[in-house]
Amino acid sequence: DIQMTQSPSFLSASVGDRVTITCQASQDIDNYLNWYQQKPGNAPKLLITDASNVETGVPSRFSGSGYGTDFTLTISSLQPEDIATYYCQHHDNVPYTFGQGTKLEIK
Amino acid sequence: QVQLVQSGVEVKEPGASVKVSCKTSGYSFTNYGLSWVRQAPGQGLEWMGCINGHNGHSKYAQKIQGRAAMTTDTSTSTGYMELRSLRSDDTAIYYCARARYDVSGYFYLYDDYWGQGTLVTVSS
Repeated sequence: DIQMTQSPSFLSASVGDRVTITCQASQDIDNYLNWYQQKPGNAPKLLITDASNVETGVPSRFSGSGYGTDFTLTISSLQPEDIATYYCQHHDNVPYTFGQGTKLEIK
Repeated sequence: QVQLVQSGVEVKEPGASVKVSCKTSGYSFTNYGLSWVRQAPGQGLEWMGCINGHNGHSKYAQKIQGRAAMTTDTSTSTGYMELRSLRSDDTAIYYCARARYDVSGYFYLYDDYWGQGTLVTVSS
């Protein structure tokens, strides 16, 4: 199985900060990488597909990059409503595992 | 609008079975699949499997293969996930999600709409 490792697991940042979350795959997954946002008590929400395609309706401050084994989710200017846990997920082959999550809080 | 509405809270004893439903609306059911993802209390997301709404082809995580069965009813646009021989570590919120496949209908891409989740508690 492909393992997905996110870092950091916990992140505290100030409003307006540039925030970067990384996700590393245990083997090459091309660009088969999705990012989800989950707010407390809610179902996950799809943010980015194929490593860098931002879903319609997602604020432009969210972006993704990467290929192969190393991927990044960036929030260019952190807003209070971005407080959530973020998960990467690969879709290269079964099982389509998620990373362990990065919990983002406001400093 | 696209909606996925799941069945309600379940409390089961160890060894029992549970069947969670996911009623969809607002899109052509057979043009997409359904994924099932669970989340244990305070933990991260665990991919369980997915089923193609067009051809019924399903894929499972090895961890639950043999205990889980994902099915669909195209006449009611509803998906089901049954989990047998329940254990305490199956206690979790179970989510269904609309699964997008590539043009071949075989290669899973992502989950773009999610149900509200169903809490399943396994306890004696």
